[in-house]
Amino acid sequence: GEDVEQSLFLSVREGDSSVINCTYTDSSSTYLYWYKQEPGAGLQLLTYIFSNMDMKQDQRLTVLLNKKDKHLSLRIADTQTGDSAIYFCAESRYSSASKIIFGSGTRLSIRP
Amino acid sequence: DGGITQSPKYLFRKEGQNVTLSCEQNLNHDAMYWYRQDPGQGLRLIYYSQIVNDFQKGDIAEGYSVSREKKESFPLTVTSAQKNPTAFYLCASSKQGEVYGYTFGSGTRLTVV
Repeated sequence: GEDVEQSLFLSVREGDSSVINCTYTDSSSTYLYWYKQEPGAGLQLLTYIFSNMDMKQDQRLTVLLNKKDKHLSLRIADTQTGDSAIYFCAESRYSSASKIIFGSGTRLSIRP
Repeated sequence: DGGITQSPKYLFRKEGQNVTLSCEQNLNHDAMYWYRQDPGQGLRLIYYSQIVNDFQKGDIAEGYSVSREKKESFPLTVTSAQKNPTAFYLCASSKQGEVYGYTFGSGTRLTVV
């Protein structure tokens, strides 16, 4: 199947870490992405990971990939109010080089 | 600076009218895409085009039409046949073989009045 699945909502206290999870079904995935969408705006690429890697860190962001379980996660350290947004997981595949499959997005809300 | 521009940002349409949403990119990207986003939902692919003068239907193409006469431009027409057109429309582009995924425009919010 083509599904990329995410939970719909996550609420985190300001200053804590946020962990957003994603599962995908296609083992031929080449790159996996995390996009951020702020209200009323388009999506912006946050980070990506190649399928032969298991971790990538970029400042407050850590991406973990478990290829065996087809599980991808995004950890945001020291979550701030500016991190409130919808986060989309996405994958690209050998079989459709120009087409990326998006998850339904996780809405992250920050509480004081 | 290179980028992808969608216009207008807000669009109101009367029932029974066709409207065209503009999408222009100066990134020299080969492929372009149109997505629809409804409140609380993810992205659904309407149409995509990998080269000039060629395009393919996505998952929800009914009631929409596109053209790709120039590499830079991929306009989307929402026809009167689209029964529930009120939504947020996103255009994206990508370069063949590039690992950085898609570049998105800022979206057009279409409301039927």
